[in-house]
Amino acid sequence: NAGVTQTPKFQVLKTGQSMTLQCAQDMNHEYMSWYRQDPGMGLRLIHYSVGAGITDQGEVPNGYNVSRSTTEDFPLRLLSAAPSQTSVYFCASSSVRGNTDTQYFGPGTRLTVL
Amino acid sequence: GQQVMQIPQYQHVQEGEDFTTYCNSSTTLSNIQWYKQRPGGHPVFLIQLVKSGEVKKQKRLTFQFGEAKKNSSLHITATQTTDVGTYFCAGSGGTSYGKLTFGQGTILTVHP
Repeated sequence: NAGVTQTPKFQVLKTGQSMTLQCAQDMNHEYMSWYRQDPGMGLRLIHYSVGAGITDQGEVPNGYNVSRSTTEDFPLRLLSAAPSQTSVYFCASSSVRGNTDTQYFGPGTRLTVL
Repeated sequence: GQQVMQIPQYQHVQEGEDFTTYCNSSTTLSNIQWYKQRPGGHPVFLIQLVKSGEVKKQKRLTFQFGEAKKNSSLHITATQTTDVGTYFCAGSGGTSYGKLTFGQGTILTVHP
């Protein structure tokens, strides 16, 4: 199993550009989440999904859209990039099986918005 | 909403010294998890605590969950250079399964 994969690993955008961060998991996990990590701020939840077709907002959803058309994929879209969105983005998946919601993280995407 | 505070933000120790990081939640948690992130890496799950007053050990690491299920701690005995990284606690409120609130993390530096 590849686990959780994310592409791209690095990205530089200009203010106002749009892009999609890709996330995929092959563990058949129901739950998927997007976090951003900024120095001193820990991991903040952007959006999450409890299954295909179901998404909800996290702590910092503004400026981001998500959709979950399949169990495996959970892309994160930046509609109009802003310098404040410069961050490291992590996708994670988890499952209710085994009575644990352990998060499995992808390797991250380092995004710079100029 | 639920808030999870973690202290200290930074900790510098000499190799062989002990290290402790503390986590406090504004609300009662159904469980608390601990993650480690090596520099340049992604968070990796260490352990989950579920029961009030629970104590778990992994070699030199000791994890505790408070009696009121609102606080937790991670203690490392005799740190090694391989312990370097950021340690995060993450709490689950129970009603939002799969939705965790992370603490700010403690960055541990170990000097040889």
